[in-house]
Amino acid sequence: LAKTTQPISMDSYEGQEVNITCSHNNIATNDYITWYQQFPSQGPRFIIQGYKTKVTNEVASLFIPADRKSSTLSLPRVSLSDTAVYYCLVGGYSGGGADGLTFGKGTHLIIQP
Amino acid sequence: ETGVTQTPRHLVMGMTNKKSLKCEQHLGHNAMYWYKQSAKKPLELMFVYNFKEQTENNSVPSRFSPECPNSSHLFLHLHTLQPEDSALYLCASSQVLAGEETQYFGPGTRLLVL
Repeated sequence: LAKTTQPISMDSYEGQEVNITCSHNNIATNDYITWYQQFPSQGPRFIIQGYKTKVTNEVASLFIPADRKSSTLSLPRVSLSDTAVYYCLVGGYSGGGADGLTFGKGTHLIIQP
Repeated sequence: ETGVTQTPRHLVMGMTNKKSLKCEQHLGHNAMYWYKQSAKKPLELMFVYNFKEQTENNSVPSRFSPECPNSSHLFLHLHTLQPEDSALYLCASSQVLAGEETQYFGPGTRLLVL
């Protein structure tokens, strides 16, 4: 079973900021939170990873509250090419066994002009 | 370029054929994975190899047979497949670190079973 819960789908418009929240109530002390992006017929691609507070890179920010039971992926000024499925995972294989590798259904983000 | 390559990219086979999918990672990772993704479905974990040892077999039918000769190469041998096995097969690798690992995926093999 996936260790995370995300909205199935979201819609937004070009130029807007999009925030996708993931719930992970049973996150373990050593678990990091990792977000992936997947386009049709391609493998998932790493976007960002964090442990606590805020992490920012050239494509996204990740906000993690103090209790770490949820996280929010923030995509600034989205474009049509950001239309994809976004997955939130915690722990990976070492952190959660096979459960840490369960991608779940992800969030299908659709960006409109 | 993710550092994980897969061949072939596309494969069409009959139900009586035997074929193999190949995956190679150039990242120095110690774990490799096979996933299956059917149309409009989530990724399904099939097998995990950690330091060349198979550590997970997610109830996969025996017509799928993995092989990991070393930490850089992973194969998926296919025989007597069914049409419902048509899917995108993805290979991934990672460096197993306590809770911190990131998976890197290959481009996948699109398999069609006739």
